[in-house]
Amino acid sequence: DIQMTQSPSTLSASVGDRVTITCRASQNINNWLAWYQQKPGKAPKLLIYQASSLQSGVPSRFSGSGSGTEFTLTISSLQPDDFATYYCQHYNYYFGPGTKVDIK
Amino acid sequence: EVQLVESGGGLVQPGGSLRLSCAASGFTFGSAWMSWVRQAPGKGLEWVANIKQDGSEKYYVDSVKGRFTISRDNAKKSLYLQMNSLRAEDTAVYYCASSPYWGQGTLVIVSS
Repeated sequence: DIQMTQSPSTLSASVGDRVTITCRASQNINNWLAWYQQKPGKAPKLLIYQASSLQSGVPSRFSGSGSGTEFTLTISSLQPDDFATYYCQHYNYYFGPGTKVDIK
Repeated sequence: EVQLVESGGGLVQPGGSLRLSCAASGFTFGSAWMSWVRQAPGKGLEWVANIKQDGSEKYYVDSVKGRFTISRDNAKKSLYLQMNSLRAEDTAVYYCASSPYWGQGTLVIVSS
């Protein structure tokens, strides 16, 4: 089975900061990676699919990159609405453990 | 408008069974891979199972193999999860999903 890891597990940042989250797969998954944002009590929201494609309606400050086994999610300028937990997922399969972005 | 509406959750004793259902509308259900994803209280997302468009391929996380069965009825635009031999560690909110669409989740509590 493919294992997904994320770092860091928690990230403290301020509004306006550039934030980067890393996701690693234990095997080559090409670009079959998605990024989700989840807020407490809510279903996850798709941000990025196929590693770097921005889901319709998602602000352009979110971007994804990578292929193979290493991927990144970048928020170019953190906004108040972005404080949440972020998960990577190997398409239709395993999730990473999550990265909580909280207020510094 | 796309909707995925789960039902069937509740309180069940260890060793018991539940059948979750997910009613889909607003998209071409028969053309979509469908998944069940769960989230235990205070924990991260865990993929549970998925099923190919025609039901010919099904995959499960190791912890539920032999206990859970995913199925679908494309004519009824519905997804199911039959859960047997339930354990306390199966307690979670269960989501029906087909990226980018997610349901609101249904809570399953396994407790005596």
